[in-house]
Amino acid sequence: DQQVKQNSPSLSVQEGRISILNCDYTNSMFDYFLWYKKYPAEGPTFLISISSIKDKNEDGRFTVFLNKSAKHLSLHIVPSQPGDSAVYFCAASDGTSYGKLTFGQGTILTVHP
Amino acid sequence: DTEVTQTPKHLVMGMTNKKSLKCEQHMGHRAMYWYKQKAKKPPELMFVYSYEKLSINESVPSRFSPECPNSSLLNLHLHALQPEDSALYLCASSQGGQGTWETQYFGPGTRLLVL
Repeated sequence: DQQVKQNSPSLSVQEGRISILNCDYTNSMFDYFLWYKKYPAEGPTFLISISSIKDKNEDGRFTVFLNKSAKHLSLHIVPSQPGDSAVYFCAASDGTSYGKLTFGQGTILTVHP
Repeated sequence: DTEVTQTPKHLVMGMTNKKSLKCEQHMGHRAMYWYKQKAKKPPELMFVYSYEKLSINESVPSRFSPECPNSSLLNLHLHALQPEDSALYLCASSQGGQGTWETQYFGPGTRLLVL
């Protein structure tokens, strides 16, 4: 039972354009969502998060949108840079279990110069 | 400083060996986590320590034994592992407290190969 899904295994974008990574969830108890970025041979790096009481959170080039009714969130990166090329994981928490995170399968983002 | 360190970076062990993975953070975080990540899969939670007490064990086999000697250190003792336990083992920490549990900082991981 995959409660957090990232249906696109990979995404290829031109430098300077917008990257949009998508994530769907099924557990209505999830109330906090995060995006992590992972380079090869490194651990995941926290990128941005959003609480279920908000529908948008912005941090520099990164914006996360949350649509609770659709159980969908997305990460927008604009403008995309070659250094953004990495695996992006969506994660969710229900706020009751010491921060237990349920991760999606990840999306490999490649930004071409 | 948002660094979580893990040693060793790589470990090869036989099924009869006993080894330990170590994790350290100096951010004053009170929650520490062990995750397991298989190739092309997302990280999966194994254990959570909160204020040095084991708070969550995700039904992990007893051949994995966690230990939290103090608030900065987290160990994972390994004994009689199986080849299918080969994976990247990630340690993470968070502040621990309302609104802060979820923002976790990860170490680089230990890549374990069980022969």
